[in-house]
Amino acid sequence: KNQVEQSPQSLIILEGKNCTLQCNYTVSPFSNLRWYKQDTGRGPVSLTIMTFSENTKSNGRYTATLDADTKQSSLHITASQLSDSASYICVVSASGNNRLAFGKGNQVVVIP
Amino acid sequence: DAGVIQSPRHEVTEMGQEVTLRCKPISGHNSLFWYRQTMMRGLELLIYFNNNVPIDDSGMPEDRFSAKMPNASFSTLKIQPSEPRDSAVYFCASSSIPLLAGGPNNEQFFGPGTRLTVL
Repeated sequence: KNQVEQSPQSLIILEGKNCTLQCNYTVSPFSNLRWYKQDTGRGPVSLTIMTFSENTKSNGRYTATLDADTKQSSLHITASQLSDSASYICVVSASGNNRLAFGKGNQVVVIP
Repeated sequence: DAGVIQSPRHEVTEMGQEVTLRCKPISGHNSLFWYRQTMMRGLELLIYFNNNVPIDDSGMPEDRFSAKMPNASFSTLKIQPSEPRDSAVYFCASSSIPLLAGGPNNEQFFGPGTRLTVL
């Protein structure tokens, strides 16, 4: 079983609308959680990173939340733009060995 | 900085042929990672180097895969012989901080990837 589960697998949203992506993980002990954005045909780029003590982090129109107790994170996209069309990957790092566990991504398509 | 450079960007080969993927990390970064990405499995870490030394190769799928890092500015991932199930996008990433150091500063910077198709 994958240690990082993301939902929904894919979604289509209208330009200007908001959306929220979910990431549930079982990685333990927890070190940090990153959200990456991957445009089609390109490598992932880090959007946010949160450690155990942080429960929210913003990067422009992207806001990530973390609930370390329930082992859940979300990425909220505000006022979506066409350029937000991409795959969003949740990556969780374990403390100690710092091994990375990757989600399979949320595929977002923004339509005009 | 040009970022992580990978070549070729696309590779189409026939089953049984040798494939060599190349990576130039960001200058000054001493950690390098090779990943494979497929629709079914997402991103998978294949191998990780720190200061040109392989630290963790537990993700390398089988003996057909090998990776080298002869110096701080160059790494290769070789598949010999290649098989159709090796078809995927292969990413190289680099970081200025070793993975084992942990912490929030160990961001990895990814290259554009090599799309490999084995017929």
